[in-house]
Amino acid sequence: GAVVSQHPSWVICKSGTSVKIECRSLDFQATTMFWYRQFPKQSLMLMATSNEGSKATYEQGVEKDKFLINHASLTLSTLTVTSAHPEDSSFYICSARWDGKNIQYFGAGTRLSVL
Amino acid sequence: GEDVEQSLFLSVREGDSSVINCTYTDSSSTYLYWYKQEPGAGLQLLTYIFSNMDMKQDQRLTVLLNKKDKHLSLRIADTQTGDSAIYFCAETPKGGGYQKVTFGTGTKLQVIP
Repeated sequence: GAVVSQHPSWVICKSGTSVKIECRSLDFQATTMFWYRQFPKQSLMLMATSNEGSKATYEQGVEKDKFLINHASLTLSTLTVTSAHPEDSSFYICSARWDGKNIQYFGAGTRLSVL
Repeated sequence: GEDVEQSLFLSVREGDSSVINCTYTDSSSTYLYWYKQEPGAGLQLLTYIFSNMDMKQDQRLTVLLNKKDKHLSLRIADTQTGDSAIYFCAETPKGGGYQKVTFGTGTKLQVIP
């Protein structure tokens, strides 16, 4: 149990295009999901907290118009990187918090390369 | 503050025990976790401990918690080459409403055959 699926695992896009990343909890409900960004050889940086049916809460310094988050159901959150630029290239990881437990389960991550 | 600190690197021989240490600063954290990250992959939850516990053992893994010193450790018995990865400790500080997880810097474990 407690499987989180993240898709795609790797995406290459041209500068100026938008990219959508999906995060699904496959066998449990997750009212709250989290989006992280990880730079090479560094720890995870929380970008935003995604709440089902309401607006996401962004961390300081994260542009909400740049990183659009939609949490439309109890098992799906999406992150859209709008008008991507090379500096947005990174490893993006989502997690889903199992309702009723304070445990976060992580997806496998998405490597974004913007040319 | 909410800084979680770990040593950056640990090298052990296959078959030996590994001990990865972590220091956290928020004594009100309710859960403390250990995650494993293999190259190019997401994080795998290894184990977690409630703040009212001192020790938790799960097969080859032993977690020790010293609340007084705000120190958390992960011991891996009979370390195997497949254990080579980056290990992150994490806490749920009060400042994050006990929901947000604050990660340590990660310890890269290298297992020498």
